[in-house]
Amino acid sequence: EAGVVQSPRYKIIEKKQPVAFWCNPISGHNTLYWYRQNLGQGPELLIRYENEEAVDDSQLPKDRFSAERLKGVDSTLKIQPAELGDSAVYLCASSLEGTSNEKLFFGSGTQLSVL
Amino acid sequence: RKEVEQDPGPFNVPEGATVAFNCTYSNSASQSFFWYRQDCRKEPKLLMSVYSSGNEDGRFTAQLNRASQYISLLIRDSKLSDSATYLCVVNRGSARQLTFGSGTQLTVLP
Repeated sequence: EAGVVQSPRYKIIEKKQPVAFWCNPISGHNTLYWYRQNLGQGPELLIRYENEEAVDDSQLPKDRFSAERLKGVDSTLKIQPAELGDSAVYLCASSLEGTSNEKLFFGSGTQLSVL
Repeated sequence: RKEVEQDPGPFNVPEGATVAFNCTYSNSASQSFFWYRQDCRKEPKLLMSVYSSGNEDGRFTAQLNRASQYISLLIRDSKLSDSATYLCVVNRGSARQLTFGSGTQLTVLP
C-alpha cells in the first residue's frame, strides 16, 4: 500500500513568489495534517483536516498561507507571497480517524528554500 | 515554558551502550504520549507509544511519570542504526492536537 505522497520534494523560489505543495494521504485516512519543520526543531502543526473540513487552523498564518482539501482526499498548501522565514520542510501526515492516540504517517516532505 | 521540552543533545555513545532520554511536558491534562524517530533528512516515524504502566519493545523501553510530567526512552545495547533524532510527542491536554518536542539527537559510534 502506498504511503503519504508529497510533491515536489524540493522547491527553490525567490521571496514574494507564490508556491504550492501537494499531498495525497494514505487511502481511507480521514484526517490530514500539514506540519512545518524548521532545522533543529520538531514539526509544528499548521492545519488539520477531518475529511474536507479544517478543524484546527489556529497556527496557520492566514495572511499568506492557505490550504484546501476539496474532496476530502488530497490536499494543497499554498504560500503567497513567500518570505525568507518560510524556508523549512513542509510535512504532510495522515491518520485513520484523527484521535489523539493514533499513529501519524508522514510523507517525505517538501523542502522549501526562499531566496 | 515550552509545552514539550527535550534535551537536544547530541548524545554520542559507543555501540552496545545504554542511553536514556527524558522529555517533560507542561499540560497535566495530556493523555497520549509517543516517541517518534526521525533519520537525517527523512520524515518522522512512530517508534512507540508510551503507556501509563510503561512498555517495552525489544531494546527500547518507554516510561511515563505523570506526577512529574515526564516521559523517558531507554535504549539498551545501542546499534549504529539507532543513530537518529528522537522526538517526544504529547497531545495538548484533552485536544486531539499533538505537540512535538524539538528532538534529541543520538549518534552511536563504532
